[in-house]
Amino acid sequence: GIQVEQSPPDLILQEGANSTLRCNFSDSVNNLQWFHQNPWGQLINLFYIPSGTKQNGRLSATTVATERYSLLYISSSQTTDSGVYFCAVEPPGANSKLTFGKGITLSVRP
Amino acid sequence: DGGITQSPKYLFRKEGQNVTLSCEQNLNHDAMYWYRQDPGQGLRLIYYSQIVNDFQKGDIAEGYSVSREKKESFPLTVTSAQKNPTAFYLCASSILPPGNGAEAFFGQGTRLTVV
Repeated sequence: GIQVEQSPPDLILQEGANSTLRCNFSDSVNNLQWFHQNPWGQLINLFYIPSGTKQNGRLSATTVATERYSLLYISSSQTTDSGVYFCAVEPPGANSKLTFGKGITLSVRP
Repeated sequence: DGGITQSPKYLFRKEGQNVTLSCEQNLNHDAMYWYRQDPGQGLRLIYYSQIVNDFQKGDIAEGYSVSREKKESFPLTVTSAQKNPTAFYLCASSILPPGNGAEAFFGQGTRLTVV
């Protein structure tokens, strides 16, 4: 099945700093999503981005499907950005499944 | 408000007992999913359903069972055959079946602990 690798596994930032989170995947996809898991465990949808670039406030994401990677940018980080960030991908085809990476744990310090 | 509701948030079970986790959605989505998350890990697919009265095994279906009698409901039973049931369980739904690239949305999760 498709492989999803996220890097770095852990990231510590000072409040106000910028960061880039990376997701590499091993095959073509027709769905790529970025999620933020908050301290209570809920998965919050950040971006649905199988290709192209999107922005939402301080967050933006870019997926280069031909090169099989996606980047999540966090600018002017805040303590509330702390948590785990997951990338999940779904290849095309009947019965293919959304496959998750292991996540990136972000800690933003005041 | 539209969304996915899981209940209960916390569940304690004695070894040897079956327990059922509830998942309800009012998004009119066709597909529903159950994932399991262990500490420090990503999510792994247990079961999914593309339509009412249909469901398929995911990657780790052993020890679990599901039903899909109504479009909006997809309960998961953790049976006594599941050897390591303590985990965080997440339910999800999407408007289209898997493989069509539809965005998935998640409930708030149920934390199951076997005591």
